[in-house]
Amino acid sequence: DAKTTQPPSMDCAEGRAANLPCNHSTISGNEYVYWYRQIHSQGPQYIIHGLKNNETNEMASLIITEDRKSSTLILPHATLRDTAVYYCIDARGFQKLVFGTGTRLLVSP
Amino acid sequence: GAVVSQHPSRVICKSGTSVKIECRSLDFQATTMFWYRQFPKKSLMLMATSNEGSKATYEQGVEKDKFLINHASLTLSTLTVTSAHPEDSSFYICSASPGQGSNQPQHFGDGTRLSIL
Repeated sequence: DAKTTQPPSMDCAEGRAANLPCNHSTISGNEYVYWYRQIHSQGPQYIIHGLKNNETNEMASLIITEDRKSSTLILPHATLRDTAVYYCIDARGFQKLVFGTGTRLLVSP
Repeated sequence: GAVVSQHPSRVICKSGTSVKIECRSLDFQATTMFWYRQFPKKSLMLMATSNEGSKATYEQGVEKDKFLINHASLTLSTLTVTSAHPEDSSFYICSASPGQGSNQPQHFGDGTRLSIL
């Protein structure tokens, strides 16, 4: 079973920031927070990962709380192509990833 | 960025046929690869972990004789669905990891949609 919990769905207007929350209540000290997304009929796409510190790359920003029990993925300017199912996962990179049900993000014009 | 290639992208075949799916890491060596399946509107479910040079580790409920995995090199793992039946129709996805000690993310192939008639 997945170790993380996410809201089942979220809506966002195009051009606005999308903030996707995740709870990691059982994350262990050596596990990272990984975010992936899956666009319909494609394999999951890696977005970003982090351990303790906030991270930013060309796709998104990741905010991790100090206790590491929750994180937020931020898409600063959502586009229609960001419509996808977003998954947060606690894991070491070389270990198997256990996918939950994710958050279905719908970006509308 | 890291690229994982999966082939074929789509297969349609008759019941009883065996189907082989390839997963290749194109720009890194993958000590470990993973195989998932996904049913419509459901999340990915891990089937097995494929380690280069050793036997695959299967998740509970996954028949190892039905889903044969071979990981003969650091860049290639194959999944063979033997004597496929309609209930094996699904979306099969592989991922590759640089290996133990690395926290670099896994990267996924684009999946293989298998349809058994």
